[in-house]
Formats: sequence, structure tokens, C-alpha cells
Amino acid sequence: DVKVTQSSRYLVKRTGEKVFLECVQDMDHENMFWYRQDPGLGLRLIYFSYDVKMKEKGDIPEGYSVSREKKERFSLILESASTNQTSMYLCASSLSGWEQYFGPGTRLTVT
Amino acid sequence: AQSVSQHNHHVILSEAASLELGCNYSYGGTVNLFWYVQYPGQHLQLLLKYFSGDPLVKGIKGFEAEFIKSKFSFNLRKPSVQWSDTAEYFCAVKSYNNNDMRFGAGTRLTVKP
Repeated sequence: DVKVTQSSRYLVKRTGEKVFLECVQDMDHENMFWYRQDPGLGLRLIYFSYDVKMKEKGDIPEGYSVSREKKERFSLILESASTNQTSMYLCASSLSGWEQYFGPGTRLTVT
Repeated sequence: AQSVSQHNHHVILSEAASLELGCNYSYGGTVNLFWYVQYPGQHLQLLLKYFSGDPLVKGIKGFEAEFIKSKFSFNLRKPSVQWSDTAEYFCAVKSYNNNDMRFGAGTRLTVKP
């Protein structure tokens, strides 16, 4: 069974703080993804990575950065959190060409 | 870039009613298509997928979907819903030679017992 884990289920941060969201997968997948999920908007792709140290911008990369130093780990970084980044963040992984497997999500609240 | 439209935001059905959720995508090339489900408090799970071959695909829990290429559609169906099908359903598309996927806005299904 594929397992994608995320470091926190719930997180509360203050405006301006630097925030790290971590994702780990245990199936040796090449590809990893970060989405945010908002009511009525579905899932929107922030960044993805198809290999270690490689990254590609998704549809809404502004205000975010990512890091992939090891194949199994993909981090999402909010350099200076803002209230409009309050959301559910979902991590996913996949083998090339195949479906994505999702983690449980991190609900981030920025106050 | 591809985009995905799900026509219904919230569908309310009684148990045993039939279900059809619409999904249309915009992309001119070869695509792979997916339906994911998110039960309350749980993570997204794959319901079914289409890669090639028979355009009528069957998934878990009695769901099926039909790919109609001429209509750029991939509608989800179930002949008889159960209360436990209450969830949010997401259609997704990726181009054949890419790995990034695009999702629809989701359809919330409420099944009344």
C-alpha cells in the first residue's frame, strides 16, 4: 500500500511567519505534488517535482516555494505566511504516467 | 494547459436513486482521466481511471464512468446510491505525456437515508 504522510494535520501560524509543510512517501515515486484545496475551487496545483532537486511551478506558485532534497520527501515553504494562505494543503505522489496518491492533508490557519 | 469543469456543485439524492455527475475537460491531446472521492474527514482516494481501451470503466464500490472523446466528457455514474456514498467527488485530467494533473472544483454528494 502506498503511504503518503504529512507532518501535521492542523497548524496555526501568525501572519509573517515562515511555515514548513513536510510530505513523505514510501513508494519510491518519482513525482510529488503540492495542492491547496479550497471550497468551491477544488484542488489547485502549487508546485510539483519530478526528480530530486527538480521543481516546476503549478497554477498558483506565488507566495510559496518548495524543496526536494531526497526522493521521498517534498517540502512546501511559505516564506511569509498571509491570511489568504489559510487553506487545506494536500501532498501527492505518483509514478510517472500513473495516478496520484494523496496524503491526509494539513489544515493551515494563518491569523 | 488543461482545465476541468464539474457542472454540479451539490447534489442531493435519496438512497437507491441513480447518480450521474458531469465532468468535461478542455485539452486537445491524448488524456488520462480520473475520478477521486473524499469521504468526510478522509483523504482523497482513487475511484476509477481511464487510460486507454474500453471507454466504459468500472471502479470501486459500484461506480463507473464513460469516456466520450467527441464530447470531452468523463461522467461518473452509479445505478443505486447508498448513504455511505455521501462524499465529495473530483474529476481530474492529465495529458498523456505529462505528470501534472488538473482537478475540477468538485461535486458534493449528499445521500439521504
